[in-house]
Amino acid sequence: GQNIDQPTEMTATEGAIVQINCTYQTSGFNGLFWYQQHAGEAPTFLSYNVLDGLEEKGRFSSFLSRSKGYSYLLLKELQMKDSASYLCAVMDSNYQLIWGAGTKLIIKP
Amino acid sequence: NAGVTQTPKFRVLKTGQSMTLLCAQDMNHEYMYWYRQDPGMGLRLIHYSVGEGTTAKGEVPDGYNVSRLKKQNFLLGLESAAPSQTSVYFCASRGGSTDTGELFFGEGSRLTVL
Repeated sequence: GQNIDQPTEMTATEGAIVQINCTYQTSGFNGLFWYQQHAGEAPTFLSYNVLDGLEEKGRFSSFLSRSKGYSYLLLKELQMKDSASYLCAVMDSNYQLIWGAGTKLIIKP
Repeated sequence: NAGVTQTPKFRVLKTGQSMTLLCAQDMNHEYMYWYRQDPGMGLRLIHYSVGEGTTAKGEVPDGYNVSRLKKQNFLLGLESAAPSQTSVYFCASRGGSTDTGELFFGEGSRLTVL
């Protein structure tokens, strides 16, 4: 079967760096997405990786290793507004998205 | 600049009642999706559509029906609501079959079935 694993919850301090990991086993691979979802709101797109390596976008970076079935989202200079759930999703060979359950990130002052 | 719009945003139903959720997108997207999101679980696909007049079952289709009569609209129906259908429902859209671009989500519809 297809599976996406990510930690349920993480806590970090304002101003620090946090890395959220995602491992996946899917039928084929057409890219990996990270979405941010604030409580009570819709998910919003953060990043897309289809090739191995690091993609940087401001304070957020996303890394992919296809051979290891592994990705991480790196958040730098954490702000209180970064408190949210972070969803990892993989697009399989049928171009369908398989979603992880999400990682709730709690930022403490 | 509406994007994806869902109506209604909140609804309370009694067991056995029926209702329809409407999703409208103004981005000329081919693909549209209905997901449900429950605490501690990832987004689960209910039904999806790859174009006007087409629909397909997702991961959890039982108890739901859909229609895509117009390209911009995707309707999700509950014929006989059950408490297990209490959830937050999200509609989403994206460009096309090999378009690996992002999904655009509606704001969500919170449904409670008593």
